[in-house]
Amino acid sequence: GIQVEQSPPDLILQEGANSTLRCNFSDSVNNLQWFHQNPWGQLINLFYIPSGTKQNGRLSATTVATERYSLLYISSSQTTDSGVYFCAACSNDYKLSFGAGTTVTVRA
Amino acid sequence: GAGVSQSPRYKVAKRGQDVALRCDPISGHVSLFWYQQALGQGPEFLTYFQNEAQLDKSGLPSDRFFAERPEGSVSTLKIQRTQQEDSAVYLCASSLDPSNEQFFGPGTRLTVL
Repeated sequence: GIQVEQSPPDLILQEGANSTLRCNFSDSVNNLQWFHQNPWGQLINLFYIPSGTKQNGRLSATTVATERYSLLYISSSQTTDSGVYFCAACSNDYKLSFGAGTTVTVRA
Repeated sequence: GAGVSQSPRYKVAKRGQDVALRCDPISGHVSLFWYQQALGQGPEFLTYFQNEAQLDKSGLPSDRFFAERPEGSVSTLKIQRTQQEDSAVYLCASSLDPSNEQFFGPGTRLTVL
């Protein structure tokens, strides 16, 4: 199956800072999603973005399918942005393969 | 509208007991998935249903794991003779069709003592 790698594994930010999370994948994708897992374990959908660029408030994402990577941008970070961010992708099927996640800690 | 719901949210089982985990997908979602998330890791695929048909069970770790979706809506994941290594969060997801965006429930945290 498709391999998904995320970087960095951990990120510590001061409130108000901007950051970029990266997701590399090993094959062409028909589905790529970014999730935020909150402290209670709920996976919250951030973006469904197999290609192109999307924005939602302070978050935006870009997927460059031809180069097999996706980026998640967090601007003006807030303490509520803390948690684990997962990238997940599938290639020509339906099984999402998840990366190991990026743990983001935003300090006040 | 209502999202994916799962019950129970927490389950403690003694080794050797059977457990049943329930998933209620988003209404109208044809595709239903089960994933397993071990502590500190990303979720891993277990099985997939299209309506009531189980089309893929390649991720089920052993024959002690069994899933069903008899009427194409609610699904149950059953684990027989639970072992300590079965301790994990079990996540259910649904989507309109197989390649569309998947939406996850809150998960069931299973602890096997």
